[in-house]
Amino acid sequence: GAGVSQSPRYKVAKRGQDVALRCDPISGHVSLFWYQQALGQGPEFLTYFQNEAQLDKSGLPSDRFFAERPEGSVSTLKIQRTQQEDSAVYLCASSRLGPNNEQFFGPGTRLTVL
Amino acid sequence: SQQGEEDPQALSIQEGENATMNCSYKTSINNLQWYRQNSGRGLVHLILIRSNEREKHSGRLRVTLDTSKKSSSLLITASRAADTASYFCATDTGTYKYIFGTGTRLKVLA
Repeated sequence: GAGVSQSPRYKVAKRGQDVALRCDPISGHVSLFWYQQALGQGPEFLTYFQNEAQLDKSGLPSDRFFAERPEGSVSTLKIQRTQQEDSAVYLCASSRLGPNNEQFFGPGTRLTVL
Repeated sequence: SQQGEEDPQALSIQEGENATMNCSYKTSINNLQWYRQNSGRGLVHLILIRSNEREKHSGRLRVTLDTSKKSSSLLITASRAADTASYFCATDTGTYKYIFGTGTRLKVLA
């Protein structure tokens, strides 16, 4: 079946612009995660959804970052008033509910803020 | 901040040799997972080892876990050029957060 998809794959934004990044998880996966990966680093947790409920948003760097998953499937990560330090790859992952389940990652969105 | 740290940061070996990379972490875990990332296929799950397991095998991969030392190792046997990638450990502390390490960049020379 289809894996996790993300769009756009690449996004260039001018500093101050708002961006929206989309994630389509694997159908039926209850858990959805967003990560931020800087160049040469491992992914860093941003936020976690269980169905439509955002259970953990402790990793969001600032109040300019906002994520939603209104119907418990597709999720959007929005960054307002982008800054150069927001440049990174944003990864989405989904998994079945419960412990000891692997996460399936999308290809990521590479965001470059000029 | 990232809980896990992989060691070495970079590793270069000849095809056919074994590659060993290590991961250390800081807090108690439910499980530890290893992932591979390359530009062609993104981040791919390799193997999961539960906190009550000490060793696990999958094909050419062997993972060990020592919870007393808070460390894990990933061994890739008979390496191939296609194994060239970055390898990350990720720990599940049971709080929904999967904490990734800093990664080991493996280069397998043909």
